[in-house]
Amino acid sequence: DADVTQTPRNRITKTGKRIMLECSQTKGHDRMYWYRQDPGLGLRLIYYSFDVKDINKGEISDGYSVSRQAQAKFSLSLESAIPNQTALYFCATMGQGEGQPQHFGDGTRLSIL
Amino acid sequence: AQSVTQLDSHVSVSEGTPVLLRCNYSSSYSPSLFWYVQHPNKGLQLLLKYTSAATLVKGINGFEAEFKKSETSFHLTKPSAHMSDAAEYFCVVSDQGSGTYKYIFGTGTRLKVLA
Repeated sequence: DADVTQTPRNRITKTGKRIMLECSQTKGHDRMYWYRQDPGLGLRLIYYSFDVKDINKGEISDGYSVSRQAQAKFSLSLESAIPNQTALYFCATMGQGEGQPQHFGDGTRLSIL
Repeated sequence: AQSVTQLDSHVSVSEGTPVLLRCNYSSSYSPSLFWYVQHPNKGLQLLLKYTSAATLVKGINGFEAEFKKSETSFHLTKPSAHMSDAAEYFCVVSDQGSGTYKYIFGTGTRLKVLA
């Protein structure tokens, strides 16, 4: 089984709909991250969390919200989806200490019509 | 502020020839640097990391990278390309010193391997 699991893997929806992307992990890591990937732009950070009571905005948080339901679960919501939120979304986790690598899920491909 | 620049958006090599993917970074702190690979429809997989130990870092699948502080570079190399190396590669610097443990990603280099 994958250490970082994202659901759904693909989603097509319409403008104005509310969407939730889910991420769960079995690595026991406290730090979790949500990114979006757009062609030619690399990955950009949306939100991150260091524990259940800690939520922080990344560089592109407008139009998104998150919920850290448990250490292992971190959900990303689009309250009212718009077409320019069409992208590939990744969840990642990181262990404690300096210089740790991040561990990524396989991504959610989201298309908003 | 930290930043990372991948100097080539696309690189093409013939199978069996060397691979060089270039990355320059900027950092106010002693950086941690990473290379990740992304195959189609997959997440990012860690190739290797530098965290202030040996400057020549060996990774998986025959890749290695050399940290050169004087040149602020962390180029990725492989002596002989294989068809399975065709993918997108990301250079990443870790935002150390700020306490945020954020990654800053380069824009990626797409590697094409020709038969």
